[in-house]
Amino acid sequence: AQTVTQSQPEMSVQEAETVTLSCTYDTSESDYYLFWYKQPPSRQMILVIRQEAYKQQNATENRFSVNFQKAAKSFSLKISDSQLGDAAMYFCAYRRDSNYQLIWGAGTKLIIKP
Amino acid sequence: KAGVTQTPRYLIKTRGQQVTLSCSPISGHRSVSWYQQTPGQGLQFLFEYFSETQRNKGNFPGRFSGRQFSNSRSEMNVSTLELGDSALYLCASSPQLGGAETQYFGPGTRLLVL
Repeated sequence: AQTVTQSQPEMSVQEAETVTLSCTYDTSESDYYLFWYKQPPSRQMILVIRQEAYKQQNATENRFSVNFQKAAKSFSLKISDSQLGDAAMYFCAYRRDSNYQLIWGAGTKLIIKP
Repeated sequence: KAGVTQTPRYLIKTRGQQVTLSCSPISGHRSVSWYQQTPGQGLQFLFEYFSETQRNKGNFPGRFSGRQFSNSRSEMNVSTLELGDSALYLCASSPQLGGAETQYFGPGTRLLVL
């Protein structure tokens, strides 16, 4: 069975600095997708970034980028120039190619210090 | 386009009662998935519907059921409520089933069972 592990329950960073959130996963599949979702206090789950396993190039979305290491089954999220609005729970999630069942990590609470 | 909507947003029930939650996907989206979020268990997949058919089901008891209508709106029902059913129930929609599509989440329904 696939599993997703986020080993950092909480992280804090100074505003404008860079922070990296860790995620590892376990799967025997070769085709899959990985996601980082953000859940602010409003509880709405918002997609931050996604990565297709068949792509070697790391995904980037403005200040958010990932370090995808397929062999190591690692998928970390880097947030550059942290802003107060980045404060939220961040969830790493895995999905097989054939369906929409997301398998989630336990989440990392990100605190931004002004 | 309007986002995913869920009704009601908040609900209080007592043990033994049943509840029905509703999810309206983004216009044109045909796939709807449901997730339960609790502090203890985190995010867990409930079920997934596409074109009125349940395509995938998580590891939940039969008290949890769902359906999808021809307009892609979905409902989930929980019968004989237990205290442990208190949770945030999230619905997500996507244009197709599986593949490269991303799921978009609604704001959730917070259920409290007393």
